[in-house]
Amino acid sequence: DADVTQTPRNRITKTGKRIMLECSQTKGHDRMYWYRQDPGLGLQLIYYSFDVKDINKGEISDGYSVSRQAQAKFSLSLESAIPNQTALYFCATSDSWGIQYFGAGTRLSVL
Amino acid sequence: SQELEQSPQSLIVQEGKNLTINCTSSKTLYGLYWYKQKYGEGLIFLMMLQKGGEEKSHEKITAKLDEKKQQSSLHITASQPSHAGIYLCGADNQAGTALIFGKGTTLSVSS
Repeated sequence: DADVTQTPRNRITKTGKRIMLECSQTKGHDRMYWYRQDPGLGLQLIYYSFDVKDINKGEISDGYSVSRQAQAKFSLSLESAIPNQTALYFCATSDSWGIQYFGAGTRLSVL
Repeated sequence: SQELEQSPQSLIVQEGKNLTINCTSSKTLYGLYWYKQKYGEGLIFLMMLQKGGEEKSHEKITAKLDEKKQQSSLHITASQPSHAGIYLCGADNQAGTALIFGKGTTLSVSS
């Protein structure tokens, strides 16, 4: 089984809909992250969390919210999806060395 | 803000040939990470470099960190089709809270 699991793997939704992307990890790490990847732009940090009570905005947090339900679970929500949120979304955890371990990604299309 | 520039953006090499990918930072590097991504999939950690002059190898891939030049290189010897994918460099951001990434180098290996 994967150490970092993202669900769903693919999602198509309509403009204005609320959608949640889920992430769970079995690595026992405290730190978790959400990134989005767009062609030609690389990965951009949306939110990060250093423990259950610590949530921080990244460089592109507008239009997104997160919830850290437990050490192992970190979910990303789009309150009202818009087409320019179409992207590949990654969840990651990091160890004490700073090495980040990524999930397989969620491909989101907003029509 | 810190930026990582990768070169080349893409390259096509014949199987068996050697190649080098570069990653240059706009600011001092404190930790440099190399990842490989297959199209549409998650990032797989390859190597971490933390000290100037450090060099690490894994199978046919060698990474070096030139701290003075704020640059890292990834060298693949005797490339194989299995080496094809997108290579991304990442670095600790200045706050030490997350990684920033280059835009990636797409490698194709022709047999």
